[in-house]
Order: sequence, then structure tokens, then C-alpha cells
Amino acid sequence: SQELEQSPQSLIVQEGKNLTINCTSSKTLYGLYWYKQKYGEGLIFLMMLQKGGEEKSHEKITAKLDEKKQQSSLHITASQPSHAGIYLCGADNGNKLVFGAGTILRVKS
Amino acid sequence: NAGVTQTPKFRVLKTGQSMTLLCAQDMNHEYMYWYRQDPGMGLRLIHYSVGEGTTAKGEVPDGYNVSRLKKQNFLLGLESAAPSQTSVYFCASRRGGLSTDTQYFGPGTRLTVL
Repeated sequence: SQELEQSPQSLIVQEGKNLTINCTSSKTLYGLYWYKQKYGEGLIFLMMLQKGGEEKSHEKITAKLDEKKQQSSLHITASQPSHAGIYLCGADNGNKLVFGAGTILRVKS
Repeated sequence: NAGVTQTPKFRVLKTGQSMTLLCAQDMNHEYMYWYRQDPGMGLRLIHYSVGEGTTAKGEVPDGYNVSRLKKQNFLLGLESAAPSQTSVYFCASRRGGLSTDTQYFGPGTRLTVL
């Protein structure tokens, strides 16, 4: 079965700093989703990547899928307190998605 | 569109009690899912459905049952609640099984079993 490993498990950054979260798959990724979860709330869809080398951006968040389609990264530029939360990657696995354990992001102002 | 809604938002049960969690979606999605989220363990799939009248087991199905009598609704039942079922439960729906079909989540139900 497919497994996703996220790193780091958690991080604290100063407001205005850049950061990167990684998601590594045990198998080739055919669809990789990034979600954000605020504490006590549901998951909000951020971006979906499908093609090797693909890169997508939304506001200050950029997600990339490597050429071999086994690793994805999420990069936040000039972090803000509104970026705080839990970021999860999910991989398409046939009829369902499998998820990583999540990365907890705290932004100090 | 309300998207995916879940009822109730919070619930406290005593060991051995039963309850049903309701998930509803208004996007005409074929696929629906129930997950549980526990600290340090991410999201784990309990059961899912690929269409009205169908259900399938996920990663952690024991102690739970589901029904999909109507396309827009997916019910999760706990017949005899146990403290190990204390968790946050999320419902999700998806148009279909294509890798480009985004999965949308409900706001969650926080369940405590005493």
C-alpha cells in the first residue's frame, strides 16, 4: 500500500520567513493533493499536482511535484500568522486518498 | 452550495451507547468517505462508498458501520461506543475516482466516549 511521509512534523517560523514542507511517497504519485487544516476545523483544499515537474502557486504558497513523481514540496514565502495550521498531503490511490501525518506550522509574530 | 455538512458537531457518549453521524453533500458527488483523525496519526479511512447503495471497508473499519441509501447522504454508525473511538470524524466527498477529482471535506464531528 502507498505511504506518505511528511517532514518536518512541526515547525515554528518567525513571521516574514520562508519555509518548506516535504511529502515523500513510497510509490509513484498519480495525483498529489495539498490541504490546510486550521485547529478544530475541516480540511481546506489548496492545490493538486499531477504531472512530473509541475508547479502551482496560490498567493504566497507554491507546490511542486518532482520529475520522478515521488516527492512534493510546499513552499510558503514571507509567512504570515494566517498561514498557521496543519498542512497535509494526500495521494490518489485508486478510489481513495491516502494522507501523510501532517505538518504543524506555527508562525510567530 | 453548502458543500459537505456533518451532524452533529460535538457529541459525548458513554461506553456502550450507540449513535449515528450524518454526512450530507449537495455537489452530486458519487464518492463519499468517513475518516477519523487522531493526534500523530493523521487521517485514517474508516469506510467509503463509490455510489448509492455501495460501501467498502477502509483502513480502520472495526466497530463502525455505514450506509449510503441516498446519493447525497453517508451515515456512520457506532453500535457500542468504546473510549478508543474518541476522535474527530471527518466526512468527505469526491465527484469520482479520477486523480483530478478533488476531495472536499466537512467541518468534522468531535466525539468523546467516556
